[in-house]
Amino acid sequence: DAKTTQPTSMDCAEGRAANLPCNHSTISGNEYVYWYRQIHSQGPQYIIHGLKNNETNEMASLIITEDRKSSTLILPHATLRDTAVYYCIVPSDYGQNFVFGPGTRLSVLP
Amino acid sequence: EPEVTQTPSHQVTQMGQEVILRCVPISNHLYFYWYRQILGQKVEFLVSFYNNEISEKSEIFDDQFSVERPDGSNFTLKIRSTKLEDSAMYFCASSRGDIQETQYFGPGTRLLVL
Repeated sequence: DAKTTQPTSMDCAEGRAANLPCNHSTISGNEYVYWYRQIHSQGPQYIIHGLKNNETNEMASLIITEDRKSSTLILPHATLRDTAVYYCIVPSDYGQNFVFGPGTRLSVLP
Repeated sequence: EPEVTQTPSHQVTQMGQEVILRCVPISNHLYFYWYRQILGQKVEFLVSFYNNEISEKSEIFDDQFSVERPDGSNFTLKIRSTKLEDSAMYFCASSRGDIQETQYFGPGTRLLVL
């Protein structure tokens, strides 16, 4: 089973920042935090990943707490096209498969 | 930007028939994967493949399933005798390395078994 916990759903107003939390309290020192999203039934889309430091790319920012037990994905200016299911994944440091949980269904509202 | 491609986008088949789903991974990637997602359910790992061998597989990946890299670009998933419960979206993914490397997913093939 996935080692992460996310809220089932969230709403966000268009143009506002969407902050999606994830708990991964059993994460080990070498394990990364990955974020993907899935729009409708399309293939999961990679967003961002990090180990310890905060990360930013053209899609989002990832804030990881100092104890690494939780993280937040930030979409700075959410648009309607950001409506999707967002998955927080902590891949095992010895296995190859990514375990997808139910994720957070983000609805961006006009 | 390079991406994983999959064909066909949709496949309808009769129960008991064989199907082959095709994927073209990103060209410099060495690790390949198949996942599936039954409608309304989670994305589930099926199998990973490296150096022409299966490196990891889940309980779902039974004897009805096989994978192959028939040439330098394609990666295929074969379901030998389809069952109704094989109806799902099938996603191919690829990565440069194995442990904790970013996996890039294709758009999927929607398989419907009648």
